[in-house]
Amino acid sequence: GQNIDQPTEMTATEGAIVQINCTYQTSGFNGLFWYQQHAGEAPTFLSYNVLDGLEEKGRFSSFLSRSKGYSYLLLKELQMKDSASYLCGARTTAGNKLTFGGGTRVLVKP
Amino acid sequence: GAVVSQHPSWVICKSGTSVKIECRSLDFQATTMFWYRQFPKQSLMLMATSNEGSKATYEQGVEKDKFLINHASLTLSTLTVTSAHPEDSSFYICSAGRQGPKTEQFFGPGTRLTVL
Repeated sequence: GQNIDQPTEMTATEGAIVQINCTYQTSGFNGLFWYQQHAGEAPTFLSYNVLDGLEEKGRFSSFLSRSKGYSYLLLKELQMKDSASYLCGARTTAGNKLTFGGGTRVLVKP
Repeated sequence: GAVVSQHPSWVICKSGTSVKIECRSLDFQATTMFWYRQFPKQSLMLMATSNEGSKATYEQGVEKDKFLINHASLTLSTLTVTSAHPEDSSFYICSAGRQGPKTEQFFGPGTRLTVL
């Protein structure tokens, strides 16, 4: 089975940095994905990690440690439009299924 | 990025009726598509894997006779909610991905189903 945990909600100030942690336990791990989802909309892809280390893409960075079953998404220079839910998803080799954690709602305040 | 569409975007139906939702990959072929359900303020719950030309694979706890999946072509998968009841009201989202090791899943815009 799979178990993916991430905080339910986080609040941060515009211009600040927020780190969203995700721990996972999954058999046949084949990659860790982060998606952003605004209310009522479909998720949009942010990042993908399959090897240990940090992947940087503009204001967003994602880190993975396979041995620890741990990932984080780092959001820098927060903007009001970054208020959304952030979904951590683990993919398995069996069927390439992508299973998500509960999502973290980030609220950016002025 | 690739485009995945869903139709309809929203539907309201009476209890006991069946509803069909279509998921299409518009600019690529997808041998596998995935169906998710999302309740308000909750995350995506994987329901099933739709396989082109073969039976769908359902996640534990998902009734295959309740949620019929057909993947008749490389660009179309359908989800039929049979004998819908109010508890089936939810946001249904499909996803599809290109082949390859780094393939990301592209999500459709979702279908909001309301059963009265």
